[in-house]
Amino acid sequence: GAVVSQHPSRVICKSGTSVKIECRSLDFQATTMFWYRQFPKQSLMLMATSNEGSKATYEQGVEKDKFLINHASLTLSTLTVTSAHPEDSSFYICSARGGRQTYEQYFGPGTRLTVT
Amino acid sequence: GQSLEQPSEVTAVEGAIVQINCTYQTSGFYGLSWYQQHDGGAPTFLSYNALDGLEETGRFSSFLSRSDSYGYLLLQELQMKDSASYFCAALYNFNKFYFGSGTKLNVKP
Repeated sequence: GAVVSQHPSRVICKSGTSVKIECRSLDFQATTMFWYRQFPKQSLMLMATSNEGSKATYEQGVEKDKFLINHASLTLSTLTVTSAHPEDSSFYICSARGGRQTYEQYFGPGTRLTVT
Repeated sequence: GQSLEQPSEVTAVEGAIVQINCTYQTSGFYGLSWYQQHDGGAPTFLSYNALDGLEETGRFSSFLSRSDSYGYLLLQELQMKDSASYFCAALYNFNKFYFGSGTKLNVKP
């Protein structure tokens, strides 16, 4: 149990376009979802915390108008990178929390975004 | 976000024991998790400590000292497949997780 999927796994887009990444909890209801980005050989940086039905809480330094997060249901959150630039190229990973234990978060497989 | 510090890289031989340390900031701290990540993959959960002391799970153990704002992951009987990056992640205010800088473990024959 506790499977989280992400789609797409890889995406290449041109500068100036927008890209949407989906994160789904497949077999549980995720009260909270998290979005992280990770540059090569670096740590996971928390971008935002998303609770179902409410606005996402963004970390300091993360542009909320550039990284649009929607948590429309207990099983789906989306991250849209708007007007993408090459510096937005990164590995984006979501995680979902909904288990009985406070510390449990389940990670999706990640999305590799390349902006050309 | 909160800052968690780890050594950047550790090298050990097969069969050895290695300890990866993590220090964290205390304000709002609730507990400390450890994750393993292989290149190109997602983090996988290893352990969690909310209370002081040692938690053992097979070859891996994790320790927490809240008074010292410090924890460690202990890997025993190292195997080649343990070569990966290891991250500590602290839970703050019951609400969000911040990850450490990561430690790359190289296991040599």
